[in-house]
Amino acid sequence: SQTIHQWPATLVQPVGSPLSLECTVEGTSNPNLYWYRQAAGRGLQLLFYSVGIGQISSEVPQNLSASRPQDRQFILSSKKLLLSDSGFYLCAWSVPGGYNSPLHFGNGTRLTVT
Amino acid sequence: GQNIDQPTEMTATEGAIVQINCTYQTSGFNGLFWYQQHAGEAPTFLSYNVLDGLEEKGRFSSFLSRSKGYSYLLLKELQMKDSASYLCAVKNSGGYQKVTFGTGTKLQVIP
Repeated sequence: SQTIHQWPATLVQPVGSPLSLECTVEGTSNPNLYWYRQAAGRGLQLLFYSVGIGQISSEVPQNLSASRPQDRQFILSSKKLLLSDSGFYLCAWSVPGGYNSPLHFGNGTRLTVT
Repeated sequence: GQNIDQPTEMTATEGAIVQINCTYQTSGFNGLFWYQQHAGEAPTFLSYNVLDGLEEKGRFSSFLSRSKGYSYLLLKELQMKDSASYLCAVKNSGGYQKVTFGTGTKLQVIP
């Protein structure tokens, strides 16, 4: 069966510090991968999605970046965090080309920028 | 682009039936999802509709009308544990299969 791992679960970082969140998927090959952010009381905002190694599409221009160095690894990064980067970050995967394939979410990382 | 609208909050009584509506506008449609999200947790998948009509899964049903850009989630025999946010999400057509979420409907079930 497929599983998705996301870490860390909670993170407190000062403004201006770097960020690296990692997500890995097991039990499937060439998944579509996604990073979403959910600010307090807000909806899920799509940040990045990837259909293959090295293929990243950005939805929202900001100080975040994403990379996919391996087929089932997706990394979200920032060189300098802003206060507005605080939120609940969710990684998700789906079956590529799947007719009714839903997104499967990791447990999320709650980031607080102080 | 895509635009998805849902009511912000709803309240319903334990044991009752509640319908959560979602309207959407999209340039290319390839299905609609409903997710449940308890406070502080990740969303979990409830249902998927791509053809018009009703899909039933136990106490939960989801309906889609593509011509009207409209869907609803129907929850029957409400339980206290159903208190959560319910997210409507639209999958677009094309190679990237982008999924866009509405802001969610926070449902409170009261005794």
